[in-house]
Amino acid sequence: GAGVSQSPSNKVTEKGKDVELRCDPISGHTALYWYRQSLGQGLEFLIYFQGNSAPDKSGLPSDRFSAERTGGSVSTLTIQRTQQEDSAVYLCASSSSYGRGQWAEQFFGPGTRLTVL
Amino acid sequence: DAKTTQPTSMDCAEGRAANLPCNHSTISGNEYVYWYRQIHSQGPQYIIHGLKNNETNEMASLIITEDRKSSTLILPHATLRDTAVYYCIVRTHGGATNKLIFGTGTLLAVQP
Repeated sequence: GAGVSQSPSNKVTEKGKDVELRCDPISGHTALYWYRQSLGQGLEFLIYFQGNSAPDKSGLPSDRFSAERTGGSVSTLTIQRTQQEDSAVYLCASSSSYGRGQWAEQFFGPGTRLTVL
Repeated sequence: DAKTTQPTSMDCAEGRAANLPCNHSTISGNEYVYWYRQIHSQGPQYIIHGLKNNETNEMASLIITEDRKSSTLILPHATLRDTAVYYCIVRTHGGATNKLIFGTGTLLAVQP
């Protein structure tokens, strides 16, 4: 079946512009995660959505970053007033639901490479 | 979640076993050891996980020491396609967030 898809695959923008990155999770997965990978910071968690629960936003680096998940499926990560340090690969992952003491494998998309000039 | 320590890089000859070590000396009793890998220009991929017993699947084997302070991921017959960064992650199950905290990983280069 189809995996996690992300669009665009590459995005070049100018400093100060807003960008939107899209993630389509695996059908039926209730949990969705955003990570980013940059040269200086490695792979870091940004935000997590699980069903109707309040999202875990603890990894968002500043208030310029926000994310939505509409209808429990597609998610959009928005970066406002982009800065050069926002340049990175933004990865989305999804997993099935899980309960306390359980785990669920995260399936990653190919990522969106963002370059801020 | 407990911190892990991995070598920065390793080489392995094609067809030989690749043994990737990970130290997690501060692991607690309810924390699992996970391995993910990331092939160049792709997202991370789950490999295997375990609590205290050794585990094997179609991709790899995971050997966890009796004191659980270290583990080894074994790729029994490495191929060129196994060249990737391998991440060892220690975490509990079913917490408030299923997020993964990645370290710097080990770059495994499989040589022809």
